[in-house]
Amino acid sequence: QQQVKQSPQSLIVQKGGIPIINCAYENTAFDYFPWYQQFPGKGPALLIAIRPDVSEKKEGRFTISFNKSAKQFSLHIMDSQPGDSATYFCAALRGNTGKLIFGQGTTLQVKP
Amino acid sequence: DAGITQSPRYKITETGRQVTLMCHQTWSHSYMFWYRQDLGHGLRLIYYSAAADITDKGEVPDGYVVSRSKTENFPLTLESATRSQTSVYFCASRTDYTGELFFGEGSRLTVL
Repeated sequence: QQQVKQSPQSLIVQKGGIPIINCAYENTAFDYFPWYQQFPGKGPALLIAIRPDVSEKKEGRFTISFNKSAKQFSLHIMDSQPGDSATYFCAALRGNTGKLIFGQGTTLQVKP
Repeated sequence: DAGITQSPRYKITETGRQVTLMCHQTWSHSYMFWYRQDLGHGLRLIYYSAAADITDKGEVPDGYVVSRSKTENFPLTLESATRSQTSVYFCASRTDYTGELFFGEGSRLTVL
């Protein structure tokens, strides 16, 4: 049972483009939605996170948009750079369980 | 060095052998996790622990055993390795206060 569904599986954009990665969840008890970034050969690292009481959060070039009624959230990368080429994972957490459930991942390639 | 370390980083074993992957963290985080990463499946939770001597199953626990006698260590054992357990395994930890997970660099396991 995949509780967090992520799309697309892979994405190629030109430098300066705005890649968008989408995630959908099923469990309305989730209360924390982070995005993790992973470079080859490394473990994932937290990029940005949002809680369901806000609809948008920005940190630098990275923005999360959150739609509670649709149970969807997305990551936008403004002015994307080749250094943003990585695998991105969305995730969801229900605080009192401690379990962070991840989506399937999106491999992003930003061409120079 | 502070942080979370995994060993071994690379391991090749044969079907039916027992394998233990080690995880050590220096922050005294309460929660620790084991994930496996496979193409097309993202990161799937195997087991997690909320504190020493408290462990619970994740999404894909079959074939794995964990223990947590000390807060800082969380070993993962494959009692009888199978080819389907060929994967990259990530250990992670987090505090009680934020949802951020801190990942190790992974252990790449190949079962022949």
